[in-house]
Amino acid sequence: ELKVEQNPLFLSMQEGKNYTIYCNYSTTSDRLYWYRQDPGKSLESLFVLLSNGAVKQEGRLMASLDTKARLSTLHITAAVHDLSATYFCAVDAPLSGNTPLVFGKGTRLSVIA
Amino acid sequence: DTAVSQTPKYLVTQMGNDKSIKCEQNLGHDTMYWYKQDSKKFLKIMFSYNNKELIINETVPNRFSPKSPDKAHLNLHINSLELGDSAVYFCASSRDRNSPLHFGNGTRLTVT
Repeated sequence: ELKVEQNPLFLSMQEGKNYTIYCNYSTTSDRLYWYRQDPGKSLESLFVLLSNGAVKQEGRLMASLDTKARLSTLHITAAVHDLSATYFCAVDAPLSGNTPLVFGKGTRLSVIA
Repeated sequence: DTAVSQTPKYLVTQMGNDKSIKCEQNLGHDTMYWYKQDSKKFLKIMFSYNNKELIINETVPNRFSPKSPDKAHLNLHINSLELGDSAVYFCASSRDRNSPLHFGNGTRLTVT
């Protein structure tokens, strides 16, 4: 059964600082997605990573995928308050017999002044 | 203009009742999904429909039944509601496996 683990689950960071959120998964996959969810809102797609070594950047966020290590990272550069949200990674492993897009438990990020 | 729309946004009902949540997408996507998000924000797949055929059915109680009258709609029917069914239910759609899911705004179900 595919398992997706994120850490940390809670992150409080100061404005201007850098930090990385990690997403590990248990079976072979070359498709990984990052989503953002604001409180009481829907999920918004941030990044789609479709191959080993894929790197995507949008503003202060950068995501990467290492399929050999079964690891994705979401790096936050010079955090600002607007980045406060819950971030989910989701993995698609159709060949594993599991359902597609299994989500991690989410990382609740709080950026403070 | 809403890509994936769900109704109602809030649903408060008593145990034992039967309720439905509607979902429509205007993106022309082939696959639609229902996800359940519990109070701890954990997201779990419930159902997936591709071209009107159920392709995934997680081990959810058979009180839950998806119904898809056409490719643009995937409704969720819930019979004999229980307290543990309280959660936010998200509908989503996708074009293919290389594309991200587009989520609706969610339906917050409260069973009293």
